[in-house]
Amino acid sequence: AQSVSQHNHHVILSEAASLELGCNYSYGGTVNLFWYVQYPGQHLQLLLKYFSGDPLVKGIKGFEAEFIKSKFSFNLRKPSVQWSDTAEYFCAVIPNSGYSTLTFGKGTMLLVSP
Amino acid sequence: DGGITQSPKYLFRKEGQNVTLSCEQNLNHDAMYWYRQDPGQGLRLIYYSQIVNDFQKGDIAEGYSVSREKKESFPLTVTSAQKNPTAFYLCASKSFGTSGTNTQYFGPGTRLTVL
Repeated sequence: AQSVSQHNHHVILSEAASLELGCNYSYGGTVNLFWYVQYPGQHLQLLLKYFSGDPLVKGIKGFEAEFIKSKFSFNLRKPSVQWSDTAEYFCAVIPNSGYSTLTFGKGTMLLVSP
Repeated sequence: DGGITQSPKYLFRKEGQNVTLSCEQNLNHDAMYWYRQDPGQGLRLIYYSQIVNDFQKGDIAEGYSVSREKKESFPLTVTSAQKNPTAFYLCASKSFGTSGTNTQYFGPGTRLTVL
């Protein structure tokens, strides 16, 4: 079975700082990878996803993530965070075999101070 | 208005009572899922259903039950056997289509508090 590890449980940044949230997964085969975001009081939203092709994927609100197959990693980045990016971020992985289930990391709570 | 609806948003129950959480989707998605979210634990899969009248246990199914009598509905019952039922419950769905649709979409969640 697959597993996902998110490196930081809590991250605190000032506005305009750069962000990188780590995500590593364990699975021997081909996977699809996702980052979801949960803003305070809101439901879980898809931020970006990787299925195949260019390993650098761009999502909403200026976020991007890079899939590095050799490192089993899918780190999330943003060059300059805003106060409105305060949220909890979840990395998730699913084997690309049709009827598998999604496995989530434990989440990273990002607090951006104005 | 398309999407996944969960009701109610907040639910309070006394210990020992069963309670059923509603999840409806009008996206014509094939599969539906129930997750439980606890602080610092991420989302854990309770049950899922890939077709009508069929469902499978997830990682933490004990104390829960589900049914899938209609494609658009996947209610979750939290039974009195669930030892720690207070949590945030999320429903999700996805379509089994061509490559690129292996994406789950989530409802707004129900926060259950057992007193």
